Amino acid sequence: GENVEQHPSTLSVQEGDSAVIKCTYSDSASNYFPWYKQELGKRPQLIIDIRSNVGEKKDQRIAVTLNKTAKHFSLHITETQPEDSAVYFCAAKEASNTGKLIFGQGTTLQVKP
Amino acid sequence: EAGVTQFPSHSVIEKGQTVTLRCDPISGHDNLYWYRRVMGKEIKFLLHFVKESKQDESGMPNNRFLAERTGGTYSTLKVQPAELEDSGVYFCASSQDWAGVENQPQHFGDGTRLSIL
Repeated sequence: GENVEQHPSTLSVQEGDSAVIKCTYSDSASNYFPWYKQELGKRPQLIIDIRSNVGEKKDQRIAVTLNKTAKHFSLHITETQPEDSAVYFCAAKEASNTGKLIFGQGTTLQVKP
Repeated sequence: EAGVTQFPSHSVIEKGQTVTLRCDPISGHDNLYWYRRVMGKEIKFLLHFVKESKQDESGMPNNRFLAERTGGTYSTLKVQPAELEDSGVYFCASSQDWAGVENQPQHFGDGTRLSIL
């Protein structure tokens, strides 16, 4: 089955700097990769997703890149703000007749004012 | 549009007792998922309903866990009897994959924090 590795586990940046979180996956047939942001005590919130037929997607300060050959995808947050502080999870949808998402271990991002 | 709602938000029970969690998906969403996050670890898949049918229950830990979705609307997840290792946050998510348009986003609820003493 699919396996997703996420790095780093913690990331601390200064407000205004960029943050990059990287994930690798094992099943080359996986075709959907969402990113979720979870603030303390709240629900995981989808912030961006990418399908395997595109290499990059951008939404304001957030972008995701996908390298299918290398089987990795990354989240880029530019001009970070304190409200970006949260746990970020990457996920890959298993390539089977199921909607199962396989999540990475999570990255705790701290943006210092 | 109302989001995914879960009840209760917290539950504290003793080992050996029974607990039932409820999830109401977004109206019209045929796909309903249960996930669990044990403290400090990743979110792990438990099972997937399409309407009232179990599409994939490969993530269910053991036969102490029973999920139902009678009528294809809300779902319940019962743990009986609860063990210490069942503690964690149980999330429900829903999505609507339209015919020919797969991979629609999964929208999560706030979760139920389950503590087994």
